[in-house]
Amino acid sequence: DAKTTQPNSMESNEEEPVHLPCNHSTISGTDYIHWYRQLPSQGPEYVIHGLTSNVNNRMASLAIAEDRKSSTLILHRATLRDAAVYYCILSSLELGGSTLGRLYFGRGTQLTVWP
Amino acid sequence: NAGVTQTPKFRILKIGQSMTLQCAQDMNHNYMYWYRQDPGMGLKLIYYSVGAGITDKGEVPNGYNVSRSTTEDFPLRLELAAPSQTSVYFCASIRGQATNEKLFFGSGTQLSVL
Repeated sequence: DAKTTQPNSMESNEEEPVHLPCNHSTISGTDYIHWYRQLPSQGPEYVIHGLTSNVNNRMASLAIAEDRKSSTLILHRATLRDAAVYYCILSSLELGGSTLGRLYFGRGTQLTVWP
Repeated sequence: NAGVTQTPKFRILKIGQSMTLQCAQDMNHNYMYWYRQDPGMGLKLIYYSVGAGITDKGEVPNGYNVSRSTTEDFPLRLELAAPSQTSVYFCASIRGQATNEKLFFGSGTQLSVL
């Protein structure tokens, strides 16, 4: 499986933008970049995913480097509710199916948002 | 739309007891997964299923069993509970196996074995 590297922790002030980086230098051409987050005492939830182009949705934006070896999750205005662990993972095709459900969700980045 | 529902939310077991963690999804997803998450750690895959009647081991299957008799339900059975099984358990499902599909998680079951 292609691996990702994220900082262990980041901090932000409320209503400021947050840029969460992820390195994935061994990504292959068909791997999708996924971001999930885990709020305290909850299961992970989907945030956003992309392949090559930058993506936007109501929760966040995903900026993907031109060489796809890194990506950045952008929270445009952090709120206290955005304090969570953010996971960057890659879904690959293996044995005809996606590896997404079988991936190890590592420690991710713990985002702290200060009021 | 309920999504993925896990019961119970909390449970305390004595060493050697058995229990079943329930997981149900109402999205008609074929693929379902069980994970455990120890404090401060990531999620480790216990078992998964690619459809009714088909299950396979994940990274940490010892001490657990699963069954998948219907598309909706994927129960996780703990036999002879041990303190090492104290953890938070998450169930998840995904519709298909394209690499742009999304995983949906339940809210978890916190299990303590004393």
